Amino acid sequence: AQRVTQPEKLLSVFKGAPVELKCNYSYSGSPELFWYVQYSRQRLQLLLRHISRESIKGFTADLNKGETSFHLKKPFAQEEDSAMYYCALSRDSSNTGKLIFGQGTTLQVKP
Amino acid sequence: NAGVTQTPKFQVLKTGQSMTLQCAQDMNHNSMYWYRQDPGMGLRLIYYSASEGTTDKGEVPNGYNVSRLNKREFSLRLESAAPSQTSVYFCASRGQAAGELFFGEGSRLTVL
Repeated sequence: AQRVTQPEKLLSVFKGAPVELKCNYSYSGSPELFWYVQYSRQRLQLLLRHISRESIKGFTADLNKGETSFHLKKPFAQEEDSAMYYCALSRDSSNTGKLIFGQGTTLQVKP
Repeated sequence: NAGVTQTPKFQVLKTGQSMTLQCAQDMNHNSMYWYRQDPGMGLRLIYYSASEGTTDKGEVPNGYNVSRLNKREFSLRLESAAPSQTSVYFCASRGQAAGELFFGEGSRLTVL
C-alpha cells in the first residue's frame, strides 16, 4: 500500500541551525513527491515538488529512490520557518490529482 | 480572486445532527477534494471530484456524502454526525501544475 511516513511530530531547533524534516514513502510505481507547509493562521500551500528540483525559501528536497526518502532540508533555519510541514505523494496513474499526506511535522525555530 | 472558500469556519454539533460544509472555488479548476486533518494522522482524503458531475470515494468516506453541484461548488454532508467526525475539514481544488492543490482555510467541526 502507498504510504507516507514523517517520523517526527515535532522538530525544535535554534535559529541559524540546520534543519532536516524526514519523509519516507512506500510506493511501487514511480513517485511524485511534494512538500506542503501550513504557517500559523494561513492556508496549507505547496512549498516544493521533487520534479522541479527547486529551492524555495532556502529549502531543498532530494528524492532518494534507494532509501525511498524525500527529506526537506535547509542549512540555516529562520524563525519565520516555524510551521507545520507535510510530505505528500501522488500515485497518479489515473491523473486524478489525489495526494497521500504524511502525518505532518511541526517545525519550531527558537530565537 | 478568493481562491477556495469554505463555510462555515466553525461548527458545533450534537451526535446525530446533520450538516453540510460548503466549498466553492473561482479558479475554474476541474478537480476538487475534501480532506480531514486530525492530530497524528495528517490529512486524509474523504471524497474527490475529478470533474463536474463525478465524485469518488477517498480513504475515509464512511459517514459522509458529497455533491458536485457545478464546476465551482463541492459540498460535504454529514447525515448523522458522530464524535469520531470531530476534525478540521479542508476543501481543495487542483491547479495546472502537478501536485498543486489550492486549499481553503478549513472548517473546524466539533461533535459532542
